[in-house]
Amino acid sequence: DTEVTQTPKHLVMGMTNKKSLKCEQHMGHRAMYWYKQKAKKPPELMFVYSYEKLSINESVPSRFSPECPNSSLLNLHLHALQPEDSALYLCASSQEKLGLLNEQFFGPGTRLTVL
Amino acid sequence: AQSVTQLGSHVSVSEGALVLLRCNYSSSVPPYLFWYVQYPNQGLQLLLKYTTGATLVKGINGFEAEFKKSETSFHLTKPSAHMSDAAEYFCAVSDSAHYGQNFVFGPGTRLSVLP
Repeated sequence: DTEVTQTPKHLVMGMTNKKSLKCEQHMGHRAMYWYKQKAKKPPELMFVYSYEKLSINESVPSRFSPECPNSSLLNLHLHALQPEDSALYLCASSQEKLGLLNEQFFGPGTRLTVL
Repeated sequence: AQSVTQLGSHVSVSEGALVLLRCNYSSSVPPYLFWYVQYPNQGLQLLLKYTTGATLVKGINGFEAEFKKSETSFHLTKPSAHMSDAAEYFCAVSDSAHYGQNFVFGPGTRLSVLP
């Protein structure tokens, strides 16, 4: 199984809502990532988890809160978002953070719209 | 800090024609170089990567790329385009062995394949 799954596929939320994005992989990977991708732009790294510990936080606003409850799951909790946060949110995993030689597998993304 | 430029935000080729997508990088140390493809409404998929060794790298779906240090280039080619190659292509560079903040994507090139 070389799949990273993300739910939901689409999410529309108001600026006062609280919602969560979910990412799951069963490849035994110990590094997981959140990226944000605006239309017609490359992905931008948000967070990296390595062995369930937050390793990198790319100065992301606190309205985005990541969580890695176990080695297979990665959540992104959303609260009080702004319309400019509307984007495709991509999850990825790799065998370990040190492993550039290991392929990074991406999920299909959650398309988020903030009204 | 490293950076990536991709000449041409949009490239159109006829089916069966040569595909050439350009990537130039800047890096203060020997780079690791990658090409990813993103089909509509999907996540990214690794096409190929250069880490060390042979400078001509073969990837999936008939794509290959050549690392040319003197030209700081890593152009992606495919001898004969297929309709299914229509997608967004991202070149990426890293100057460290880790995924993370040193892993930089280029702006992307959208490839259209005309019948």
